[in-house]
Amino acid sequence: DIVMTQSPDSLAVSQGERAAINCKSSQSVLDSSNTKNYLAWYQHKPGQPPKLLIYWAFAREPGVPDRFSGSGSGTDFTLTISSLQAEDVAVYYCQQYHSTPPTFGGGTKVEIK
Amino acid sequence: QVQLQESGPGLVKPSQTLSLSCTVSGGSISSGTYYWSWIRQPAGKGLEWIGRIDSTENTNYNPSLKSRVTMSVDTSKNQFSLKLNSVTAADTAFYYCARDISHGSYGLFDYWGQGTLAIVSS
Repeated sequence: DIVMTQSPDSLAVSQGERAAINCKSSQSVLDSSNTKNYLAWYQHKPGQPPKLLIYWAFAREPGVPDRFSGSGSGTDFTLTISSLQAEDVAVYYCQQYHSTPPTFGGGTKVEIK
Repeated sequence: QVQLQESGPGLVKPSQTLSLSCTVSGGSISSGTYYWSWIRQPAGKGLEWIGRIDSTENTNYNPSLKSRVTMSVDTSKNQFSLKLNSVTAADTAFYYCARDISHGSYGLFDYWGQGTLAIVSS
């Protein structure tokens, strides 16, 4: 299985400031035949199901605010929230869908400082 | 807007079978080239993919659970189901159903149910 490792486990950022979450995969999730990275990011708020934010490492799901952006390739990825808002408080997960079984990172809890 | 809703007993005895269903509304389970997945999350832990099924009953299971998992689909009810046998306390978790929109890959989930808590206890 591809192991997904996120860092940090949690972070507290002042409202309006930038938050960055890192995700590292134990194997590359880049398909060289189509140059796509099979990497997604989800936002999970208490009492709600996870919400797909980003796929192909950088493509935003429709309706996701543009303060959320994804970057990286191969084995190293980052989710950036450019200006943290109160409604962004959640746990964020990265997930690879390159190989079966699909696997998730351990999650990063984002809070307001 | 596609919606998914899990249902099933919240309490299962050890060694018995956990049975859950997921009802899909706002779209036909048979339309499109989608898979329908089950994912679980034990309290305080991360997300684990259990497996998936399509409307023609093609399945893929997580090897870690494969020996205990069976999935099925009922297109007439727009439902798909999960059976996990020989459960232990380690199977206590929130169970989510989700639509998998990955094509030629494994697991990109755009719609999720609210989740249902299944507790394994005598």
